[in-house]
Amino acid sequence: SQTIHQWPATLVQPVGSPLSLECTVEGTSNPNLYWYRQAAGRGLQLLFYSVGIGQISSEVPQNLSASRPQDRQFILSSKKLLLSDSGFYLCACMMDRTYEQYFGPGTRLTVT
Amino acid sequence: LAKTTQPISMDSYEGQEVNITCSHNNIATNDYITWYQQFPSQGPRFIIQGYKTKVTNEVASLFIPADRKSSTLSLPRVSLSDTAVYYCLVGDWMDSSYKLIFGSGTRLLVRP
Repeated sequence: SQTIHQWPATLVQPVGSPLSLECTVEGTSNPNLYWYRQAAGRGLQLLFYSVGIGQISSEVPQNLSASRPQDRQFILSSKKLLLSDSGFYLCACMMDRTYEQYFGPGTRLTVT
Repeated sequence: LAKTTQPISMDSYEGQEVNITCSHNNIATNDYITWYQQFPSQGPRFIIQGYKTKVTNEVASLFIPADRKSSTLSLPRVSLSDTAVYYCLVGDWMDSSYKLIFGSGTRLLVRP
């Protein structure tokens, strides 16, 4: 079965600093990959999804970007963090034509 | 993608059956209905998925009426550990991509 790794688990960054969150997937190949953000007490907001290497779809215009340099690697980045970027970032994967999405442990980002 | 509407919160007691109803009036013909459970500081976990009628697994049942404009997640004999947020989602595969759009969910509190 799939295993999703995310790091770091927690991160505190100042406003204006860059960001790089990494997600890797084990136990599957050619998955669809997703980045979500969850603000405190709120639902999950879909940020990006990818159906393959180098293929990224953005759901919400913002100062974040995503890349998929390898089949099982998904990276979330920012050049300059905003206070509003604080939240719980979750990476997820889903196999083609299935309806079960697997989530990683998440990264809690606090922008100060 | 169809939008879903769920109650914001529900209270129950240990040992009771809990039914959470989700409305999805604009569900499309190819959409499947999926339910997830989320505990604090964790990613959502798949519970159950269905297309029509009734689906049952080891943790829950999903009831879908003929018009598919709503669905009901049934949790038999809940325990304190079932306190969580429950999300109802609808969607389908289009062009090899599948986007799960999470709403605010239903916050279930199970009391002793």
